[in-house]
Amino acid sequence: QVQLEQSGAEVKNPGSSVKVSCRASGGTFSDYVVTWVRQAPGQGLEWMGGIVPVFRSPIYAQKFRGRVTITADAFRSTVYMEVSSLTSEDTAVYYCARCYSRSSGHGDGMDVWGQGTTVTVSS
Amino acid sequence: QSVLTQPPSVSAAPGQKVTISCSGSSSNIGSSHVSWYQYVPGTAPKLLIYDNNKRPSGIPDRFSGSKSGTSATLGITGLQTGDEADYYCGTWDTSLNAGVFGGGTKLTVL
Repeated sequence: QVQLEQSGAEVKNPGSSVKVSCRASGGTFSDYVVTWVRQAPGQGLEWMGGIVPVFRSPIYAQKFRGRVTITADAFRSTVYMEVSSLTSEDTAVYYCARCYSRSSGHGDGMDVWGQGTTVTVSS
Repeated sequence: QSVLTQPPSVSAAPGQKVTISCSGSSSNIGSSHVSWYQYVPGTAPKLLIYDNNKRPSGIPDRFSGSKSGTSATLGITGLQTGDEADYYCGTWDTSLNAGVFGGGTKLTVL
């Protein structure tokens, strides 16, 4: 059964960047949609964007275009998500998640999730 | 303001049934599959329903999903205290070309 392991918590200064990794183990990953979702304190889940690692063509929510970069290394079964120009509003728990089947599209159900990475933006 | 509209909260007694609605439009629910997630802050979301009404393995049949037009509904029967959580609907929006979630519904089992 595939598992997703995310990198550890980060504390960043406003204006800086953060890069979070999501590594798969124990199963296939590279030809599935992998999505990034975040949850800010007191807020709901927010869809940020996604990628199919073997195709390396990310898509992004309009809100994050130009400030978020999603990349993938299929050989290493790892997907990365970088957020630049951080503000306090980016303080959140960031999750990666894999869609439930190879034929799934972006926005379809995600059944395997990483443990979450807490990013705190504070001066 | 979320693209998909859910009630902020619902409540019911143990053993009872509850439904959670998710309202959207022709560009999202009306044209895409709906998924439902159970979320306890600090833990990873859990997929309860995908493709409108299918349950992943390991999800009990107390959880059900349905879709009609531009709305979807999650049903939970035989409520347990362990069901207390936030519930989110999600789908794809063809106008936004992005995934979208509802604002979430907090379930309280009284």
